[in-house]
Amino acid sequence: EAQVTQNPRYLITVTGKKLTVTCSQNMNHEYMSWYRQDPGLGLRQIYYSMNVEVTDKGDVPEGYKVSRKEKRNFPLILESPSPNQTSLYFCASSLYSGTYEQYFGPGTRLTVT
Amino acid sequence: RKEVEQDPGPFNVPEGATVAFNCTYSNSASQSFFWYRQDCRKEPKLLMSVYSSGNEDGRFTAQLNRASQYISLLIRDSKLSDSATYLCVVPERGSGTYKYIFGTGTRLKVLA
Repeated sequence: EAQVTQNPRYLITVTGKKLTVTCSQNMNHEYMSWYRQDPGLGLRQIYYSMNVEVTDKGDVPEGYKVSRKEKRNFPLILESPSPNQTSLYFCASSLYSGTYEQYFGPGTRLTVT
Repeated sequence: RKEVEQDPGPFNVPEGATVAFNCTYSNSASQSFFWYRQDCRKEPKLLMSVYSSGNEDGRFTAQLNRASQYISLLIRDSKLSDSATYLCVVPERGSGTYKYIFGTGTRLKVLA
């Protein structure tokens, strides 16, 4: 089944404790992206990747890191999480960028206390 | 002006009604557009793509007005199951590739 998976689905952590949210897709898509969704602000793009080893900042990259060492995986790293990073996070992939449909993972609900 | 703007709603309509909502965008160079549906903080799912003047899929019709820079989504014969948030998405060309700009969504409630 074609899908985007994310783990964990729910995470409660404390300020400053490094964490990684994994994202994997099995559709051989070139483009992958991370979003955060906050009430009243909609989905905002954090980082995106056009291919292996090619990443770029979206609109809200501060406090996040990503890597794309393999085509299928695109982990999101929070080196020192803070309470303002409490949010609902979605990973997405598409064959290419632009006119192609994005497929979203189920989301990761992160709470930083 | 926001890059992609939607009326947040909620639009409360009775079953069987026709409802339409708009999405305005600021980048006149935008060429493609998407409507996604999102149920209660679940992942967004593609409803419709719009590349030229419009698109139709069953009860759903999307229309593009380039002169006024908006796209609309029309839902005919509303069903209870259409209750959701509808997100407008506009890809924006950056340096070498695209990033995606989402509207904040329009909430629809279809009432029995």
